[in-house]
Amino acid sequence: KNEVEQSPQNLTAQEGEFITINCSYSVGISALHWLQQHPGGGIVSLFMLSSGKKKHGRLIATINIQEKHSSLHITASHPRDSAVYICAVLHDRGSTLGRLYFGRGTQLTVWP
Amino acid sequence: DAGVIQSPRHEVTEMGQEVTLRCKPISGHNSLFWYRQTMMRGLELLIYFNNNVPIDDSGMPEDRFSAKMPNASFSTLKIQPSEPRDSAVYFCASSLAEGTGSAFGAGTRLSVL
Repeated sequence: KNEVEQSPQNLTAQEGEFITINCSYSVGISALHWLQQHPGGGIVSLFMLSSGKKKHGRLIATINIQEKHSSLHITASHPRDSAVYICAVLHDRGSTLGRLYFGRGTQLTVWP
Repeated sequence: DAGVIQSPRHEVTEMGQEVTLRCKPISGHNSLFWYRQTMMRGLELLIYFNNNVPIDDSGMPEDRFSAKMPNASFSTLKIQPSEPRDSAVYFCASSLAEGTGSAFGAGTRLSVL
């Protein structure tokens, strides 16, 4: 079983729709990352959070430490948001201290 | 700042050859990470360094893989001998400290024939 599970695997939306991508994890963490990978392959770090909520433009990331769950929301989605969104958690225990575990990613396609 | 710089961007080699991937982290960042991405397994952490010292190399698949960070501005990932199953995109990333957001390089796409 993967330590980090994302859902959905694939998501298709119409421009302007509100998008939610979910991430659940099973290990103790010190932080959670949301990454964006564009079709060309480049990876951009969107957020790193350990509690609460962060907002950057149309992107909002939330985390619930007790429930071991995080969500990434995109408001007023646009075709340029089309990318793979990857959740990664930073493990905080024992010999794996500092190790990142990755979800398999969510492929988002936004149609005009 | 030019960001994290990786070279080469693409590498095609034959099975059995030695492959060396290079990474220049962002100046001032003291943590450096090597990742591998494949269709089958997604993104995986191979090894990371903090202040040039390897902290966790448990992700390195086998002895054919080795990584060094001789100074704060340069790291290498070496595969010797390479095998077709090593074909993947290898990313290098750096961060100011463990637990902070990372900046990723553009990746090296490796094809081992």
